[in-house]
Amino acid sequence: DTEVTQTPKHLVMGMTNKKSLKCEQHMGHRAMYWYKQKAKKPPELMFVYSYEKLSINESVPSRFSPECPNSSLLNLHLHALQPEDSALYLCASSQVPRASTDTQYFGPGTRLTVL
Amino acid sequence: GQNIDQPTEMTATEGAIVQINCTYQTSGFNGLFWYQQHAGEAPTFLSYNVLDGLEEKGRFSSFLSRSKGYSYLLLKELQMKDSASYLCAVRDRDDKIIFGKGTRLHILP
Repeated sequence: DTEVTQTPKHLVMGMTNKKSLKCEQHMGHRAMYWYKQKAKKPPELMFVYSYEKLSINESVPSRFSPECPNSSLLNLHLHALQPEDSALYLCASSQVPRASTDTQYFGPGTRLTVL
Repeated sequence: GQNIDQPTEMTATEGAIVQINCTYQTSGFNGLFWYQQHAGEAPTFLSYNVLDGLEEKGRFSSFLSRSKGYSYLLLKELQMKDSASYLCAVRDRDDKIIFGKGTRLHILP
């Protein structure tokens, strides 16, 4: 099983709403990632969790709040977003970083629209 | 700074071979990934290189030279479904994965 699942697939929210994006994997990967991708641009790294601890925060605004409840789950809590935050949000997982072999699998993404 | 360069667009013919190059200058190096991304879809993992040399997986091969900061993805026996963007990404010494801007590959019949 090389699947990373994400819910919801699509989300439309107002600037005052609070919502959460969810990600799950059962490959035993201990590194999980959140990326943001705008149209025709490459993914931009937001957060990395390694062994359920936040290891990288790429200076992301506090209106995005990640959470890793256990080794299989990753959430992204959203609050007071701006229209420019509209994008495809991708979750990914990989083996422990710096393994001699590595793979990184992406989920299908959540397409977020902020009105 | 971190810099990953790859051509913006390439065109090739069905059945042919194409090589997509990637050069990088990053804060350290802990591996290089190649991904395929079709429009509107998530990236699909193709390969990972951390040691110099060629890794072959079916029609796709990936090469790495760490001393030159250089990699390429080789696609053989091109099929129409190979029309996609191909993303090169490097894991730096802080384990950040940095993406290049991607190469849009067009396959002509």
